[in-house]
Amino acid sequence: DTGVSQNPRHKITKRGQNVTFRCDPISEHNRLYWYRQTLGQGPEFLTYFQNEAQLEKSRLLSDRFSAERPKGSFSTLEIQRTEQGDSAMYLCASSFPDRGESPLHFGNGTRLTVT
Amino acid sequence: GEDVEQSLFLSVREGDSSVINCTYTDSSSTYLYWYKQEPGAGLQLLTYIFSNMDMKQDQRLTVLLNKKDKHLSLRIADTQTGDSAIYFCAERETSYDKVIFGPGTSLSVIP
Repeated sequence: DTGVSQNPRHKITKRGQNVTFRCDPISEHNRLYWYRQTLGQGPEFLTYFQNEAQLEKSRLLSDRFSAERPKGSFSTLEIQRTEQGDSAMYLCASSFPDRGESPLHFGNGTRLTVT
Repeated sequence: GEDVEQSLFLSVREGDSSVINCTYTDSSSTYLYWYKQEPGAGLQLLTYIFSNMDMKQDQRLTVLLNKKDKHLSLRIADTQTGDSAIYFCAERETSYDKVIFGPGTSLSVIP
């Protein structure tokens, strides 16, 4: 169990640019979540996948955000035409819901700064 | 709608017990979790409780659940300076099976 891995750890970009983040979940976990966290707040749910199927998207997720999990393993989160309000920590988590309590296991996040 | 609330700050002296409180709104929640976040890091699962339980103890941690009042608490016995962090309460919704987090309680431990 190597844990949830997120890359990059930090990303600084200019407003209007596109960015893509990657998440590699714990290998046997079939559920993968994306959250966004701003300073002083708890994580806000963005979207989640069961295998390769995207089951739910939050109303917070504008059309500029897209997430994929093409083979049911790693996932990418892309933000197009970034805005300063997109600056936040983007957290990925995975779980194995068939195992009862199925807590989320988090990566260390990708911190995005939009200048 | 779903909502999880917590007090934002708590300060205790080293060696004392800390009690962090949380209220939630989804009466059909199945599991409730406590996570810890240290600066610059992701969230670390501390413990969880199933909704049909009243209490769970795990070493220095005690979780109490009052399902009638939708109130959850985390007690940390013999609090140490290494316990200084932000603690998040979270509930798993049954309807959409997503996990909703509270705003976090910042625990400061005074040596």
